[in-house]
Amino acid sequence: EVKLVESGGGLVKPGGSLRLSCTTSGFTFHNAWMSWVRQAPGRGLEWVGRIKTGTVDYAAPVKGRFSISRDGSENTLYLQINNVKSEDTALYFCATSGLEYFDYWGPGTLVTVAS
Amino acid sequence: SYVLTQPPSVSVAPGQPATLTCEADNIGLESVHWYQRKPGQAPVLLLYDDTARPSGIPERFSGSNSGNTATLTISGVEAGDDADYFCQVWETDSDHPVFGGGTKLTVL
Repeated sequence: EVKLVESGGGLVKPGGSLRLSCTTSGFTFHNAWMSWVRQAPGRGLEWVGRIKTGTVDYAAPVKGRFSISRDGSENTLYLQINNVKSEDTALYFCATSGLEYFDYWGPGTLVTVAS
Repeated sequence: SYVLTQPPSVSVAPGQPATLTCEADNIGLESVHWYQRKPGQAPVLLLYDDTARPSGIPERFSGSNSGNTATLTISGVEAGDDADYFCQVWETDSDHPVFGGGTKLTVL
């Protein structure tokens, strides 16, 4: 059974940083394509970025501030968020990425940006 | 960028069919994928490539895509179908996914 569980969310001040984690099990993680997707309050889903076998790409609104990485030995995906802004307040999901869609998702971790 | 438009809300009585739409220019030329998200739970892939159901998704969920409208149909809505539904395509130009704003399905 594929399982994804996000953690690391919380309250952070504008300009601060935090790192989200996504612990995975039930599939071969080390070369799996993985994405982060977020949902701001009252808004739809927004793709944040994706890590493939050797490359990472990001959505324009987060490029330069967000960084996706993985630890294959721990089967864990990470999202480093720097210089957080109020518009980064959202529920953050990790998901397995197929070529064009997202097969499995975690329940999400909430990030709240406030002073 | 590509914009997917979904009605914010749809209400349906139990046992009745529900039709959820996702509109965009020439969306019929794209592959559309649908997700269901219940509060506090992980989103679930309902349909991929317009009509295909992943293992475990009931046959009550079906899809179609033509012209400017993709449609998710739930035949015989159940109380447990009360959720948010999102459509998604992969935008070729940017090589990034795009999601619709979501439709809140309320089972009366």
